[in-house]
Amino acid sequence: AQTVTQSQPEMSVQEAETVTLSCTYDTSESNYYLFWYKQPPSRQMILVIRQEAYKQQNATENRFSVNFQKAAKSFSLKISDSQLGDTAMYFCAFGANSGYALNFGKGTSLLVTP
Amino acid sequence: KAGVTQTPRYLIKTRGQQVTLSCSPISGHRSVSWYQQTPGQGLQFLFEYFSETQRNKGNFPGRFSGRQFSNSRSEMNVSTLELGDSALYLCASSLDTSYEQYFGPGTRLTVT
Repeated sequence: AQTVTQSQPEMSVQEAETVTLSCTYDTSESNYYLFWYKQPPSRQMILVIRQEAYKQQNATENRFSVNFQKAAKSFSLKISDSQLGDTAMYFCAFGANSGYALNFGKGTSLLVTP
Repeated sequence: KAGVTQTPRYLIKTRGQQVTLSCSPISGHRSVSWYQQTPGQGLQFLFEYFSETQRNKGNFPGRFSGRQFSNSRSEMNVSTLELGDSALYLCASSLDTSYEQYFGPGTRLTVT
């Protein structure tokens, strides 16, 4: 079974600063993919970024980038130039090609302050 | 393209009743997954359907069931509701589960 661990229940960052959210996972699968999802307060879950395990290059989407360390089974999310609209719960998720399901971490609540 | 839609958005039921939730995926998406989200347990996988076939099921009692229709729309049913079933039920669709899953707004179920 796969497990996803987000060790930071809550984090806070000032506007325009950079913040890194941590995620580790445990799996015996060789073909898998990882996601970060964002869930703003009382709003819909939104995909932030995706990483395929076979790709060595870290994924980047505008201000969002990941640091994928396959050997360490680590998948952290870096948010640059934080904005008030980044305030949300962030979930790390793991999916294996054979599993047909995503395993989510417990989430990190990020607060961006002025 | 229209996003994933879920109906109803809010539901209040009494313990012992049953409930049916509906999910319409993004056009062209054949995979539909269901998740239960609660403050204590977080997001837990319920089941996944692809072309009307259930490919995977999470660790939930048999009171939780689902189905998918030929147009990829999906329903989930919970029978004999318990207070602990109160949760946000999220539906997600994708081309297949190796691709990005796009979530609907969820159905907030309250069991009293």
